Amino acid sequence: ETGVTQSPTHLIKTRGQQVTLRCSSQSGHNTVSWYQQALGQGPQFIFQYYREEENGRGNFPPRFSGLQFPNYSSELNVNALELDDSALYLCASSLGTSGRRDTQYFGPGTRLTVL
Amino acid sequence: AQSVTQLDSQVPVFEEAPVELRCNYSSSVSVYLFWYVQYPNQGLQLLLKYLSGSTLVKGINGFEAEFNKSQTSFHLRKPSVHISDTAEYFCAVSVDDMRFGAGTRLTVKP
Repeated sequence: ETGVTQSPTHLIKTRGQQVTLRCSSQSGHNTVSWYQQALGQGPQFIFQYYREEENGRGNFPPRFSGLQFPNYSSELNVNALELDDSALYLCASSLGTSGRRDTQYFGPGTRLTVL
Repeated sequence: AQSVTQLDSQVPVFEEAPVELRCNYSSSVSVYLFWYVQYPNQGLQLLLKYLSGSTLVKGINGFEAEFNKSQTSFHLRKPSVHISDTAEYFCAVSVDDMRFGAGTRLTVKP
């Protein structure tokens, strides 16, 4: 059983650009969640997808969007990058059978730097 | 809305000493509580979780936590720490979504 993987590991963009981050969930996990972790802070919930549909969203603007695919992969897209978007972006997958009791399995993250 | 407060941003301890990392939460409904550990340049790994039942929860690597509903706390403990326990520890509460505390950096010194 492979764990959760994310790509790329690091990324540098400039203000105003767009970025796509990718995640591969554990096989059989129907739920994927994305988090933003700013330096020195805890992860903040961006949104969650269950079977390719968004089913929860945190306090993030619409320029943060996502996709989930049938092959257990997913994407986080961020448009019009701002300096404050610099952070570690984590994805986490879970079975999706027990709702908020589910254990989430985290990937190693993508470090995004916006200049 | 639910929130989590980790009362100590940094906890330095000597090897083989006991440690307690404190976590308080607020929520108007019943909650599920989690502790995660993050090693440098890695994602988060689940240490333990409280869903229901016994208020004392045992996790991996010798850690345990006690759910105290009256004090709205979920403190993490380990009776004897190792150098390898040096990491960032996050308490989290799950209601509508997962809310994390700001983290406690545990540094174990020889």
